[in-house]
Amino acid sequence: AQSVTQLGSHVSVSEGALVLLRCNYSSSVPPYLFWYVQYPNQGLQLLLKYTSAATLVKGINGFEAEFKKSETSFHLTKPSAHMSDAAEYFCAVSGSGGSYIPTFGRGTSLIVHP
Amino acid sequence: EAQVTQNPRYLITVTGKKLTVTCSQNMNHEYMSWYRQDPGLGLRQIYYSMNVEVTDKGDVPEGYKVSRKEKRNFPLILESPSPNQTSLYFCASRNTGTGGYEQYFGPGTRLTVT
Repeated sequence: AQSVTQLGSHVSVSEGALVLLRCNYSSSVPPYLFWYVQYPNQGLQLLLKYTSAATLVKGINGFEAEFKKSETSFHLTKPSAHMSDAAEYFCAVSGSGGSYIPTFGRGTSLIVHP
Repeated sequence: EAQVTQNPRYLITVTGKKLTVTCSQNMNHEYMSWYRQDPGLGLRQIYYSMNVEVTDKGDVPEGYKVSRKEKRNFPLILESPSPNQTSLYFCASRNTGTGGYEQYFGPGTRLTVT
């Protein structure tokens, strides 16, 4: 069984401030982890993914995430928020075999204030 | 251009009137899936398909049907829509083989059932 918990349905930051979106997972097999972003009126697109190579993963638009096995976490960060980062962010986990089908978190809405 | 297309993008219908939402991908992906997105509930999987003629229920399959007669197409059928099926629907596809492949999402279909 696998699951994803995203802490905070809404996160509000000022432009230029650090962005931190939290994701914790549970998986009975070594996980693959993903962050997707959904801009208003659009579908989801991949931001970055962890597939057991480097634990620090860099994605598009300056985002990165660190896989911490001991904490079962995969938090998303960006040093300096931009207005264009305002969107919905989803964390997802999948594994191998029976856990192949991905499971999504409930999403976190990032609000960026000028 | 690699993409997942959905039609229609917006649909308003009445209770009980059968409808089909089409989904097509041009990436030769084996795996396709349908999700619905509702405020506060994130993405919930309706049905998925591992390949042609192979479909399986997701988390919320009640009231929906799917078919996979061709690799590229995965239509979602609502035979008797009800107001609780008012939602934003996404189709997605990915490669199979491992859990490390990301999903590609369509632009979404906003359905309103009155």
